[in-house]
Amino acid sequence: AQKITQTQPGMFVQEKEAVTLDCTYDTSDPSYGLFWYKQPSSGEMIFLIYQGSYDQQNATEGRYSLNFQKARKSANLVISASQLGDSAMYFCAMRDQGGKLIFGQGTELSVKP
Amino acid sequence: NAGVTQTPKFRILKIGQSMTLQCAQDMNHNYMYWYRQDPGMGLKLIYYSVGAGITDKGEVPNGYNVSRSTTEDFPLRLELAAPSQTSVYFCASSYRSVGFIGAKNIQYFGAGTRLSVL
Repeated sequence: AQKITQTQPGMFVQEKEAVTLDCTYDTSDPSYGLFWYKQPSSGEMIFLIYQGSYDQQNATEGRYSLNFQKARKSANLVISASQLGDSAMYFCAMRDQGGKLIFGQGTELSVKP
Repeated sequence: NAGVTQTPKFRILKIGQSMTLQCAQDMNHNYMYWYRQDPGMGLKLIYYSVGAGITDKGEVPNGYNVSRSTTEDFPLRLELAAPSQTSVYFCASSYRSVGFIGAKNIQYFGAGTRLSVL
């Protein structure tokens, strides 16, 4: 069965420091996609970054990068130079071959001034 | 630049009542989805549609119905509301070009509908 696991219910980081949010996945499909979404306290789901299973390089989007280790089935999100506005829930998700997303339980990130 | 629009934003239902959550997208996306998010949890897929006239069940379809008569609209129907359906409901859409394995198929979400069944 396909599964996404986020083992950190909550994380704290000092403003301007980097933080890594963990995500591991389980699938037997050769073709899949991995996503990170941010959910601030206002509730909307904001797409951050995408990594395809066939991508050779780690994805980057501004201050966000994805540390993709295919053999270990991990897709950790790295946020550099944390800002107070980064405080939110972060969800890792995997898209299966049928196009459906499977979400992890999320990690709540708190950025301290 | 509307994207995915959900109405209503909030709703309180009594047990046994029915209602329809509306979802519309203006991005000409072929795929549309309905998720629910229970407190402290990730999203779970209720139903999805790969195009007008085609729908399929997700992980938690019981108690819900959907239809997709147009590309733009994907309403979610609750027939006999139960307290277990108290949740936040998200609609999402994506463009999926089947067969192109490099495609991102990013799902874009609406702002959500917060539903309480009392």
